[in-house]
Amino acid sequence: GDSVTQMEGPVTLSEEAFLTINCTYTATGYPSLFWYVQYPGEGLQLLLKATKADDKGSNKGFEATYRKETTSFHLEKGSVQVSDSAVYFCALGPTSTGNQFYFGTGTSLTVIP
Amino acid sequence: NAGVTQTPKFRVLKTGQSMTLLCAQDMNHEYMYWYRQDPGMGLRLIHYSVGEGTTAKGEVPDGYNVSRLKKQNFLLGLESAAPSQTSVYFCATGQQLAKNIQYFGAGTRLSVL
Repeated sequence: GDSVTQMEGPVTLSEEAFLTINCTYTATGYPSLFWYVQYPGEGLQLLLKATKADDKGSNKGFEATYRKETTSFHLEKGSVQVSDSAVYFCALGPTSTGNQFYFGTGTSLTVIP
Repeated sequence: NAGVTQTPKFRVLKTGQSMTLLCAQDMNHEYMYWYRQDPGMGLRLIHYSVGEGTTAKGEVPDGYNVSRLKKQNFLLGLESAAPSQTSVYFCATGQQLAKNIQYFGAGTRLSVL
C-alpha cells in the first residue's frame, strides 16, 4: 500500500546551517506530495506542496522537488533560523480514486543560536 | 474566523469511561478527518467523512466511533477508553474540489489511566 518513509530525528542545527530532511514514498497512481510543519502546542500547517513530477514546492525559504524517478520529496532550506524549530511531516495525498493522506513519522528540528 | 476548533483541549479519563471529542469548522468544507498522533508513529487516520451523514474507516478505527450529523461538526467517540488510546487527537478538514490540502485543529491531548 501507499506509505511515506521519513528521515529519523531529532535534528539539531546551528543558525544559518543548511537543512535537508529526507522523504521517500511508495504510491500507486500519481498523488500530490506535501510538507507540513507543527510548532509546539499547535496543529499541523501546510508548508509546501507539489502536485506532479518535477514540480518544486517552495515557501518561507523551504523547497522540495517531486522526484518520480527516485520516489523522493526531500525538504531543504539554505539557512535555518531559530524560528524554524518545529516538527516537519512529509505526506502523501489522496489519488484520484482515494480520500486518504499518509503521513511520515515526523522529524523534530531544533535550531540553536 | 475560527477555522477548525477542537474541544476539549485536554482530558484525563479512567479506563472504561466514555467521552466525545468535538471538531467544529466554519470553512464549509466537505471533508473532515480524525487522526491520532503518537511518538514515533506520525499521524494515523482513525475515521473520516466526505460529507454530512457519511463516515468511513481509516487506518486505526477500532475502539472509536464517529458521527457527522451536521456538515460543520465531526464527533469522535470513545465508548470504553483504554490506556492504548492515550494520544493526541487532531481533526482536519478539506474541500472536495481541493481535497489535497488539509486544515488542522490545535489538537486534544487525552490521557487514559
